[in-house]
Amino acid sequence: SQTIHQWPATLVQPVGSPLSLECTVEGTSNPNLYWYRQAAGRGLQLLFYSVGIGQISSEVPQNLSASRPQDRQFILSSKKLLLSDSGFYLCAWSVPKWSSGGIRTDTQYFGPGTRLTVL
Amino acid sequence: KQEVTQIPAALSVPEGENLVLNCSFTDSAIYNLQWFRQDPGKGLTSLLLIQSSQREQTSGRLNASLDKSSGRSTLYIAASQPGDSATYLCAALRNDYKLSFGAGTTVTVRA
Repeated sequence: SQTIHQWPATLVQPVGSPLSLECTVEGTSNPNLYWYRQAAGRGLQLLFYSVGIGQISSEVPQNLSASRPQDRQFILSSKKLLLSDSGFYLCAWSVPKWSSGGIRTDTQYFGPGTRLTVL
Repeated sequence: KQEVTQIPAALSVPEGENLVLNCSFTDSAIYNLQWFRQDPGKGLTSLLLIQSSQREQTSGRLNASLDKSSGRSTLYIAASQPGDSATYLCAALRNDYKLSFGAGTTVTVRA
């Protein structure tokens, strides 16, 4: 079975400090990987997604970057955190699937999340 | 740009009552509509996925309907239980294969 891990679970960092959040997936190969941020009372905002090693697409220009050094490892980073970077960060994976009618049918599987507080 | 809205933002019902959660989306060109559950401080768990060609999908006490032409989906939870208390999010899979999420409906089922 597949599992997804995120760490750390919680993090409190001062403004201007660096950030590194890690996500790893087990039990599947060549997954699509995603980083989302969830602010209080708002929906999930897609930050980055990756369809393969070294292939990163950014959804929203910002203070963050992502890397995929291995097939099942996805890292979210920042050189200098801002107050506005506070939030709940979620990693997710999916493997594309299509119905017999050619309709996309896969869902995304989410990790437990990292609560980041920037002070 | 796909915008997904969920109303109400919060809902409180007594145990045993049926729940009706609403989701609307602005662009009907979607591949599927998904419902997720999120417990406080946790990640999301997939509940149901309705393909764009389907009208509804059922799993146990959960039933989700989809009306693409009107841009609406509804999640029904029959005979609610305290364990159903959580935030429920809907998400539309866009034609670029990315999910657009609503802000969620937080449900409290009172024992």
